[in-house]
Amino acid sequence: AQKVTQAQTEISVVEKEDVTLDCVYETRDTTYYLFWYKQPPSGELVFLIRRNSFDEQNEISGRYSWNFQKSTSSFNFTITASQVVDSAVYFCALSEAETSGSRLTFGEGTQLTVNP
Amino acid sequence: DAGITQSPRHKVTETGTPVTLRCHQTENHRYMYWYRQDPGHGLRLIHYSYGVKDTDKGEVSDGYSVSRSKTEDFLLTLESATSSQTSVYFCAIRNGLAVSETQYFGPGTRLLVL
Repeated sequence: AQKVTQAQTEISVVEKEDVTLDCVYETRDTTYYLFWYKQPPSGELVFLIRRNSFDEQNEISGRYSWNFQKSTSSFNFTITASQVVDSAVYFCALSEAETSGSRLTFGEGTQLTVNP
Repeated sequence: DAGITQSPRHKVTETGTPVTLRCHQTENHRYMYWYRQDPGHGLRLIHYSYGVKDTDKGEVSDGYSVSRSKTEDFLLTLESATSSQTSVYFCAIRNGLAVSETQYFGPGTRLLVL
């Protein structure tokens, strides 16, 4: 069975600090996909990134970067020079190629608060 | 914007009453999903659909039914609402047929069962 763990329930930082959100996953499939979503205070879910299990290259998009390590089953998300607008709940999610419907399994989310 | 709307956006109802939530999409996506979001649980899949009249259960399907008579509409019904079904409900579409495709979410429906 697939599982996603986000051990950090809440993180609070001061603006301009770097912050890393941890995500650890469990799966028996060799082909799977990892996602990060952002949920700002307004409540919608915003897609940030998708990674497949065959691509371990790290990715950078502006102040956001993602570190995918299959050896430790982790897919961590770093925000560099955090800003108040980064305050949100961040969800890591997993889907397996062999699971019908390719449903997403979500972690419990990490509430990030960036203080001015 | 994946062209997903949900209605109603907010609803208050009483225990034992039936409730139907609607998800509408405008881009002819084949796969549609219903999730619920609760504190401490993230989002959990209730039901999903892989085509008109084709649906399957998710991990928290008890007490819920779904229907999809048209590609664009996916309905979630609580036959007899209970307080444990107070939650935020999100509809999603999968952006393509491949299993690798991303799911995009609607704005959510906040349901309170008194």
